[in-house]
Amino acid sequence: GQNIDQPTEMTATEGAIVQINCTYQTSGFNGLFWYQQHAGEAPTFLSYNVLDGLEEKGRFSSFLSRSKGYSYLLLKELQMKDSASYLCAVRDPDSGNTPLVFGKGTRLSVIA
Amino acid sequence: DSGVTQTPKHLITATGQRVTLRCSPRSGDLSVYWYQQSLDQGLQFLIQYYNGEERAKGNILERFSAQQFPDLHSELNLSSLELGDSALYFCASSVEAGRVTDTQYFGPGTRLTVL
Repeated sequence: GQNIDQPTEMTATEGAIVQINCTYQTSGFNGLFWYQQHAGEAPTFLSYNVLDGLEEKGRFSSFLSRSKGYSYLLLKELQMKDSASYLCAVRDPDSGNTPLVFGKGTRLSVIA
Repeated sequence: DSGVTQTPKHLITATGQRVTLRCSPRSGDLSVYWYQQSLDQGLQFLIQYYNGEERAKGNILERFSAQQFPDLHSELNLSSLELGDSALYFCASSVEAGRVTDTQYFGPGTRLTVL
């Protein structure tokens, strides 16, 4: 089966750093994606990891450990506009019916 | 702006009715995906088309159907609507199916309200 776990909610302070974790259990693995979704809006692509290690893109970084089935999204210098849901998604090539499996998302609230 | 367009933005209808949601993928993208997102729920994959052919099918109800036309736009048809079908419906597109780095880009969604 497929299972992707993320914390439901997190709160962090403006200017701080926050780490959003994602663990996955899938039959196969062919990449992990992070998306940002503001309430009522479309998910927007943030990052993609297929090899172990850290991918940095401005204030956002994403880390992957395939052996542990684990990823995190790191947000630095938090801004109020970063308040959103962050979705972890895994591509499982062994899943014949679901190209991309999404977690339920982590709702991040940035407070002053 | 992802380049994926969806119409209409909002749709209000009654139970038992039928509606059609439309999606135009980004220029050059051959794959179209449909997702349903209910309140406080994750994205539920419904169906994928690639270059006009059905490629993958998720937990799509029999009352729902989709197709992709020769110009690559796609339509999702929802019939015999129930209150529980009220949700955000997103379309996403990508260049091709199966390539490792293939990334899905989402449209702005259609908010369906069934009364």
